[in-house]
Amino acid sequence: QVQLVQSGSELKKPGASVKVSCKASGYSFTSSAINWVRQVPGQGLEWMGWINTDTGTPTYARDFTGRFVFSMDTSVSTAYLQISSLEVDDTATYYCAKVWSGYYEDKTPYYYGLDVWGQGTTVTVSS
Amino acid sequence: SYELTQPPSVSVSPGHTARITCSGDALPKKYAYWYQQKPGQAPKLIIYEDKKRPSGIPERFSGSSSGTVATLTISGAQVDDEGDYYCYSTDSSGKEEVFGGGTKLTV
Repeated sequence: QVQLVQSGSELKKPGASVKVSCKASGYSFTSSAINWVRQVPGQGLEWMGWINTDTGTPTYARDFTGRFVFSMDTSVSTAYLQISSLEVDDTATYYCAKVWSGYYEDKTPYYYGLDVWGQGTTVTVSS
Repeated sequence: SYELTQPPSVSVSPGHTARITCSGDALPKKYAYWYQQKPGQAPKLIIYEDKKRPSGIPERFSGSSSGTVATLTISGAQVDDEGDYYCYSTDSSGKEEVFGGGTKLTV
């Protein structure tokens, strides 16, 4: 079945870096973009941006530029989120999610939302 | 930056109808999507393009949109429907995607 499996929890010190992986299976990895979503403990969902898995082009939300990098390796059907210069405020659960999209018969694109999610990766930043 | 506004909480008795609203200036032109999140779980898509249900989502979940307000309706709410509900959409340019602040549903 279609699934996204994320890497395990991380405990990091401020200033360090972390790389979260999101391995896709059950579908063609390059056919659906991957989005990243952050959830700070006890708070709501924040859209971080997405990576075009066909071209490798990332797009970042306004609040996630600079220290956040989306990348991918098509050979292992995996997307990555790297956060550098970690801050205590980066403590959160990070989710990857696959886009449900495609083209109608007349070539018009459609977007139906984020239909498959990873289980989440908890990143804790503490001294 | 673009914002979607949801009530922080909604409470409903079992078997009754719950309505969760989502307000955003671009909603007359952009679709709303709804996600359900239960404690300790990843979010789940329950409504797309304002009113369509993915396969496997119970019929008691429905969506609508009018003007600047999108609404998620849960008819005959069940205890199992408790959780947080988030709307999701984009600004008028389509470049800024956002989640609403979330609504905690208590049944």
